[in-house]
Amino acid sequence: DVVMTQSPLSLPVTLGQPASISCRSSQSLVYSDGNTYLNWFQQRPGQSPRRLIYKVSNRDSGVPDRFSGSGSGTDFTLKISRVEAEDVGVYYCMQGTHWPPRLTFGGGTKVEIK
Amino acid sequence: QVQLVQSGSELKKPGASVKVSCKASGYTFTSYAMNWVRQAPGQGLEWMGWINTNTGNPTYAQGFTGRFVFSLDTSVSTAYLQISSLKAEDTAVYYCATPVGATRDFDYWGQGTLVTVSS
Repeated sequence: DVVMTQSPLSLPVTLGQPASISCRSSQSLVYSDGNTYLNWFQQRPGQSPRRLIYKVSNRDSGVPDRFSGSGSGTDFTLKISRVEAEDVGVYYCMQGTHWPPRLTFGGGTKVEIK
Repeated sequence: QVQLVQSGSELKKPGASVKVSCKASGYTFTSYAMNWVRQAPGQGLEWMGWINTNTGNPTYAQGFTGRFVFSLDTSVSTAYLQISSLKAEDTAVYYCATPVGATRDFDYWGQGTLVTVSS
């Protein structure tokens, strides 16, 4: 099974400063069609998760451009260029390449304001 | 617009059963799979599996076989998650999620249903 490992677990950030979250997979996430199915989700306190980024670097509609995704193979990064108060929450990476048999989430990174 | 509306919170005793519903609207229900995701209190997201809304064939992730059943009522565009022989460790928020505009993931989520198992 593919294991998704996120770091750090917790990320205190000053408002207006950048933030970076790492996600590593135990196997390459390049699919046979050439795409890499690595996605990022944001879960604000008390809310359902919301997809921010799909296939490594594509922002979903309505997602501010301060969010960006990058990476390849087994190493991926979500960056927030300037953290705002509304960005507080937990961020999860998720792989879809190795489905079936399964979709796999990372353990999550909690972003909070210093 | 795409919406997934789940049933309300449940409080159940150990050993009982619960059935969570997820009513879809704004798209053709049978064209996209329905996934289920569990989130235990203070914990991360765990994919439980999915059901093919066209054939009704369910697929369960490891750890969700036996007591967990996915089902459908396509006449009302609704997916169900039933959990039997409830245990305290089943206490969690359960989400349905569908890939209407997605490939190999999901871009629409329900609001979640809290199931609490306590004597």
